[in-house]
Amino acid sequence: DAGITQSPRHKVTETGTPVTLRCHQTENHRYMYWYRQDPGHGLRLIHYSYGVKDTDKGEVSDGYSVSRSKTEDFLLTLESATSSQTSVYFCAANSGGSYEQYFGPGTRLTVT
Amino acid sequence: QKEVEQDPGPLSVPEGAIVSLNCTYSNSAFQYFMWYRQYSRKGPELLMYTYSSGNKEDGRFTAQVDKSSKYISLFIRDSQPSDSATYLCAMSEDGGTSYGKLTFGQGTILTVHP
Repeated sequence: DAGITQSPRHKVTETGTPVTLRCHQTENHRYMYWYRQDPGHGLRLIHYSYGVKDTDKGEVSDGYSVSRSKTEDFLLTLESATSSQTSVYFCAANSGGSYEQYFGPGTRLTVT
Repeated sequence: QKEVEQDPGPLSVPEGAIVSLNCTYSNSAFQYFMWYRQYSRKGPELLMYTYSSGNKEDGRFTAQVDKSSKYISLFIRDSQPSDSATYLCAMSEDGGTSYGKLTFGQGTILTVHP
């Protein structure tokens, strides 16, 4: 499992509520990423981090924010959840000098 | 047009068949090419990783990159039912502000039946 865990693994929430997903890694990776996976779209990058407190936007960042206060934790927040954010969210990580990324098990989020 | 195109399938083959999975791309700056395998309700796991053009072999798996045609392939020999999964291609430009930004294909669903 590449030492990456995600919590919660499943969540159902209502439109308009804030939601925070957590990614935790034990391999001291410098870089961490959040993706969403939807049918017909593959994996799309939401936000990524290249160090503690250093983050940047990905392809589909609108409606999402992230924070990284420790190397091992990367949080994804949906500020006001919408039905279009129903998806499976994956966290990934890697270290400098390597392009391959290692993925967590995913969080299945349903916004009703 | 998407930057990376991958036929979503589904693809169904008998056990023992040779499977060919393909992706085309439009960004000539892509230098790193990966194949991930994803079992149902699991995270993707790295299967093959290549840099620039050429072939790479690992057991029953062979990855090919043809940068002149902007085309990559994954071949699976002697396919097994345990190979049934979704296969995702991914690629990245070389360093700088693009470091770590993978662009994925949509994934191909493969079923190998006994």
